[in-house]
Amino acid sequence: DGGITQSPKYLFRKEGQNVTLSCEQNLNHDAMYWYRQDPGQGLRLIYYSQIVNDFQKGDIAEGYSVSREKKESFPLTVTSAQKNPTAFYLCASSNPTGYSNQPQHFGDGTRLSIL
Amino acid sequence: QQPVQSPQAVILREGEDAVINCSSSKALYSVHWYRQKHGEAPVFLMILLKGGEQKGHDKISASFNEKKQQSSLYLTASQLSYSGTYFCGTEIYGDMRFGAGTRLTVKP
Repeated sequence: DGGITQSPKYLFRKEGQNVTLSCEQNLNHDAMYWYRQDPGQGLRLIYYSQIVNDFQKGDIAEGYSVSREKKESFPLTVTSAQKNPTAFYLCASSNPTGYSNQPQHFGDGTRLSIL
Repeated sequence: QQPVQSPQAVILREGEDAVINCSSSKALYSVHWYRQKHGEAPVFLMILLKGGEQKGHDKISASFNEKKQQSSLYLTASQLSYSGTYFCGTEIYGDMRFGAGTRLTVKP
């Protein structure tokens, strides 16, 4: 079955440590996204990529980095510069055409906490 | 700029109707609607496109007023399974912005 796989499901970060969240999709979608969700809050866009080797910052990119070396993969690194990383992280993909008229498909998320 | 949703929360009895609103300060080309159950990923419900074409869910309807830059999601004869948080999203060229969400609780 096609879908988006995020791993790990739970992740703990020590002070000063960088951690990488994995996101893989086999939907053959061009665009991929990373969102952060804090308890009881909405989804905030961290980064998005519409094509391999290209990505754009969202609203809250500071303290995060991404790469898009392959169409199916869009890993997110939470760096030590992100002082409050505890949140639920969601990866999504879609096939945008023109302005946009395709739904986003989400992975099951990764819960990141500070040790 | 994120779209603004209202109300923030609503509690219904089974069989009652609800309307969730989404407005934007920017011109809208399309509006997405998603539902998220607690601890789970959001699930796509519907997309409304400029010009009136609608794609999505049979049991939930929506409207899109381009001039007012608003969309409304209509849930009729609500079921227990409708409970969750509903998000609207606006997207232009891959830059997606979601509203803060409307928490819907349906009670027996």
